[in-house]
Amino acid sequence: DTGVSQDPRHKITKRGQNVTFRCDPISEHNRLYWYRQTLGQGPEFLTYFQNEAQLEKSRLLSDRFSAERPKGSFSTLEIQRTEQGDSAMYLCASSPRLGSPYEQFFGPGTRLTVL
Amino acid sequence: AQSVTQPDIHITVSEGASLELRCNYSYGATPYLFWYVQSPGQGLQLLLKYFSGDTLVQGIKGFEAEFKRSQSSFNLRKPSVHWSDAAEYFCAVGVTNAGKSTFGDGTTLTVKP
Repeated sequence: DTGVSQDPRHKITKRGQNVTFRCDPISEHNRLYWYRQTLGQGPEFLTYFQNEAQLEKSRLLSDRFSAERPKGSFSTLEIQRTEQGDSAMYLCASSPRLGSPYEQFFGPGTRLTVL
Repeated sequence: AQSVTQPDIHITVSEGASLELRCNYSYGATPYLFWYVQSPGQGLQLLLKYFSGDTLVQGIKGFEAEFKRSQSSFNLRKPSVHWSDAAEYFCAVGVTNAGKSTFGDGTTLTVKP
């Protein structure tokens, strides 16, 4: 199966610690997205990349959050000085090259719990 | 800015009964519309999508949805629900030129035996 993969699937951390999540998109997809989903809500857009360029960041993405996609393949999302409000499911998605419909393929998510 | 409203937070239907989940969107241009399903602790799986053309679209698992521009709606339907359909369903509108999607808050479907 060559779907979107995310690592780790679960992360428990203490407040104030830094965490990093990884996303591996479908290999031929050049767009990659990060979303955050809290309990009882739909996913909220955080940021997206086209190849290695980060084209848009949501206002939800505070200065403590940073995302990279250094070689246009996998991406990392880092949260510094975690807060309890950061507890959520972090979803990654990828989509095909520009010109194709904007269909996004989602990974299984990383569930973050901040104690 | 675009938005999606799913008026029903929770719906319960009996197995074998028909299902309709409502979705209303707000978007200034021609929308790209999606329905996703999410099982507990899992990512989202695309059920169906609408980009243009026929306003009645067929998806996986026997689902269909109808785009009604005049009502800004994209309701999801299934003629006969199976117990395995119990999950959370999300409607989303895709933003042109960016590809990101705006999601509704979801409808949780419970299926009674």
